[in-house]
Amino acid sequence: AQSVTQLGSHVSVSEGALVLLRCNYSSSVPPYLFWYVQYPNQGLQLLLKYTTGATLVKGINGFEAEFKKSETSFHLTKPSAHMSDAAEYFCAVSAWMDSSYKLIFGSGTRLLVRP
Amino acid sequence: NAGVTQTPKFQVLKTGQSMTLQCAQDMNHEYMSWYRQDPGMGLRLIHYSVGAGITDQGEVPNGYNVSRSTTEDFPLRLLSAAPSQTSVYFCASRAGRTRETQYFGPGTRLLVL
Repeated sequence: AQSVTQLGSHVSVSEGALVLLRCNYSSSVPPYLFWYVQYPNQGLQLLLKYTTGATLVKGINGFEAEFKKSETSFHLTKPSAHMSDAAEYFCAVSAWMDSSYKLIFGSGTRLLVRP
Repeated sequence: NAGVTQTPKFQVLKTGQSMTLQCAQDMNHEYMSWYRQDPGMGLRLIHYSVGAGITDQGEVPNGYNVSRSTTEDFPLRLLSAAPSQTSVYFCASRAGRTRETQYFGPGTRLLVL
């Protein structure tokens, strides 16, 4: 079965510090991986995605993620946190189930940014 | 393009009442889906549709019905609301049966008393 694990339901960083949000996946086929961000009282917005090719993926708002097959990981990073980055972040894997692809989500990580 | 739209934004129901959550997309996407979001559980798939006239169950379908009479619309019906259905509901769409990006609506926050 395909699944996604996000380590840490809450992560707190100071403004200007490195942001690291962890995601590990299990997949029986080469995965498509996604990071979505949810700002308070809003829907989910795509940050970045990995399909094939380059393992370092750059997304919006200065975020990037690296696909590491050997570690089954797809961690999200940003060199310098801004107050506006405070949100909930979801990692997801696209899984083939019941004749169609479906998104399997992790439980989410809430990022808090301290002034 | 408006993308994926949902109405209402917020709703309060009493136990046993019924209601329909509306979802529409203007991107001509074949695939549409409904998720519920609960604290600490991420998003869980309720129902999905791979095209007009075709629907199927997801991970947590009990208590919900769907239909897909047009490409654009995918309403979610609660026949007899229960407190356990208090949640935030998101509709999403994507092009076809591929693994490409899903686009999400702004959500409907539902409280069942």
